[in-house]
Amino acid sequence: GAVVSQHPSRVICKSGTSVKIECRSLDFQATTMFWYRQFPKQSLMLMATSNEGSKATYEQGVEKDKFLINHASLTLSTLTVTSAHPEDSSFYICSARDRHYEQYFGPGTRLTVT
Amino acid sequence: RKEVEQDPGPFNVPEGATVAFNCTYSNSASQSFFWYRQDCRKEPKLLMSVYSSGNEDGRFTAQLNRASQYISLLIRDSKLSDSATYLCAVNEGDFNKFYFGSGTKLNVKP
Repeated sequence: GAVVSQHPSRVICKSGTSVKIECRSLDFQATTMFWYRQFPKQSLMLMATSNEGSKATYEQGVEKDKFLINHASLTLSTLTVTSAHPEDSSFYICSARDRHYEQYFGPGTRLTVT
Repeated sequence: RKEVEQDPGPFNVPEGATVAFNCTYSNSASQSFFWYRQDCRKEPKLLMSVYSSGNEDGRFTAQLNRASQYISLLIRDSKLSDSATYLCAVNEGDFNKFYFGSGTKLNVKP
C-alpha cells in the first residue's frame, strides 16, 4: 500500500507555544489530505480537509485560526497547533487520498501540552 | 446524529470462530466505503474497500447494502492476530469527506 509519513511522532510542548506537524505522501501525489484527531478509546474525528493550492475546509467546531493548515505541494500538508493548551493534547493523524479514493494514514503524532 | 455508527463491542470470540460486524451510515448519497483495522495506539490501516457487488479477500468478506444503508465485515476462521479495532469509513463523494465509525473492538481468544 501507499506510504504516508508524519513528523514528529511525538512532541511535548508548553502551553501557549505552537507546534507544527508535517504529513507527507512518499510514493504518490495527494491532492487531498485530511487531518484527524483521536482521543483515547474514541474514533477519529475529522478536523479539516486539506486541498493542494487552496484553503483548507474545516469541520464544524474546529477553529481555523487555531489549527492552521497548509498544503503547499502534492506531497506535503502541515498542521500548526497555535497557542496550544493542555486540552489540545491528543493523537493527531493525517491521511492522504490516492486517485482510487482510498485513504492511507500517517503513523500519527502524539501531542502533549504541559 | 452520527454520520457513521458501529457497535463498539467488544466481541470476544474463540480462535477459528466466524464473526461479523455491521456499520450503518446516515447519508444516502455516500459513495465509497471502506474497512480499516486499528491496533492499539497505532494508525488505522486500510483492510479493504467495499464494493457494491461485495468483495472477498481471503478470510475477510465485505458487503454493502445500500437499501438499508449499512456495510458489513465478515471474518472467518478468526486468528489471534485479528484482535484489533475495526473501523468503517464512508466517503461522501462530492463533499470529499470521510467519516469514521467509532470502531468495533474484536478480541480473539485461544
